[in-house]
Amino acid sequence: DTGVSQNPRHKITKRGQNVTFRCDPISEHNRLYWYRQTLGQGPEFLTYFQNEAQLEKSRLLSDRFSAERPKGSFSTLEIQRTEQGDSAMYLCASTPGNNSPLHFGNGTRLTVT
Amino acid sequence: GQSLEQPSEVTAVEGAIVQINCTYQTSGFYGLSWYQQHDGGAPTFLSYNALDGLEETGRFSSFLSRSDSYGYLLLQELQMKDSASYFCAVGNAGNNRKLIWGLGTSLAVNP
Repeated sequence: DTGVSQNPRHKITKRGQNVTFRCDPISEHNRLYWYRQTLGQGPEFLTYFQNEAQLEKSRLLSDRFSAERPKGSFSTLEIQRTEQGDSAMYLCASTPGNNSPLHFGNGTRLTVT
Repeated sequence: GQSLEQPSEVTAVEGAIVQINCTYQTSGFYGLSWYQQHDGGAPTFLSYNALDGLEETGRFSSFLSRSDSYGYLLLQELQMKDSASYFCAVGNAGNNRKLIWGLGTSLAVNP
């Protein structure tokens, strides 16, 4: 168990550029979540996968955001045409099953200039 | 709407006991969780209550009263390393599909 791994740790991009983040969950955790956290706030739910199926997507996730988990293992979160308001910490978490605690990665901090 | 309320800041000294309260108003309820987050770090799971009562895990305990929509996290024998933000979070959909989070309580432990 090496924990949830997220890459990159930091990303600075110019407004209008596309960015992609990767999350490697704990192996055999079939549930994977993406959250977004800004300073002084709790994490906000973005989307959730069970295996490769994306089962829920928050209204916070505009059409510029897309997430995939093609083989039910790692996941990617892409933001197209980034805006300054997208600047935040993007957290990935995984869990093995019903009502089990979430295990978070260290996040990817995105800064849009 | 859905909301969780917890104090924004708490200060205490080493060796003391601190209680962080959390009241919630959510459309569904599937358990109350507590997470710790150090600056720049990931949230780490501390405790979970699905049923009323007290759960004890070492120096940390958590309590839930579903009838009062209320819970608390109790930290005993405080240490400097306990300085962090503490979040309560409510699962509001079955199978832990989504957690609704409070804004966090910043705990400062002084010598």
